[in-house]
Amino acid sequence: GENVEQHPSTLSVQEGDSAVIKCTYSDSASNYFPWYKQELGKRPQLIIDIRSNVGEKKDQRIAVTLNKTAKHFSLHITETQPEDSAVYFCAEYNFNKFYFGSGTKLNVKP
Amino acid sequence: DAGITQSPRHKVTETGTPVTLRCHQTENHRYMYWYRQDPGHGLRLIHYSYGVKDTDKGEVSDGYSVSRSKTEDFLLTLESATSSQTSVYFCAIKGDRGEAFFGQGTRLTVV
Repeated sequence: GENVEQHPSTLSVQEGDSAVIKCTYSDSASNYFPWYKQELGKRPQLIIDIRSNVGEKKDQRIAVTLNKTAKHFSLHITETQPEDSAVYFCAEYNFNKFYFGSGTKLNVKP
Repeated sequence: DAGITQSPRHKVTETGTPVTLRCHQTENHRYMYWYRQDPGHGLRLIHYSYGVKDTDKGEVSDGYSVSRSKTEDFLLTLESATSSQTSVYFCAIKGDRGEAFFGQGTRLTVV
């Protein structure tokens, strides 16, 4: 969506390396930032989220950081595996609506 | 899957015909959304609903209308389908923690 910018659009890493995807948003009223993973032909699935009162959140190999001052948030995947290959979307929640980034296609090479 | 089902899953229709897509949920969630997904654009909001008979426009609402006469059903209508409306359409609900859960998607082709 036009409220959220996501980079890069494609990302290729070697298995075991880390991957970082970045998003920026414009409205300081946004208070919830989920990340979704979409495998080919499937629906987007929530993988991690962060609320505006927290700076970082981890779940095993996945972490999300939020910088409210700069209005950006990032997804970090460590020790990438081939099954991490998918399209990842960031999103912001603002005034009862979810706005999504344009997506990052992650390719993890074995 | 948060009890969300979309129908049909696939549809091919001709330009100029009306088309209705259905989203059905079983868990009484208040907020429901329709998105379209196109390469390079991510998920763009078409319309959303915040209760029975309460709907509002999203980013790309032109050419689409919605209705919600029951909590469980949110209908998306393409009044006169055009080739630019060929897309994958996803319905979503807002869950109890505030996260979005998606239906399986409907692949619509307008020829």
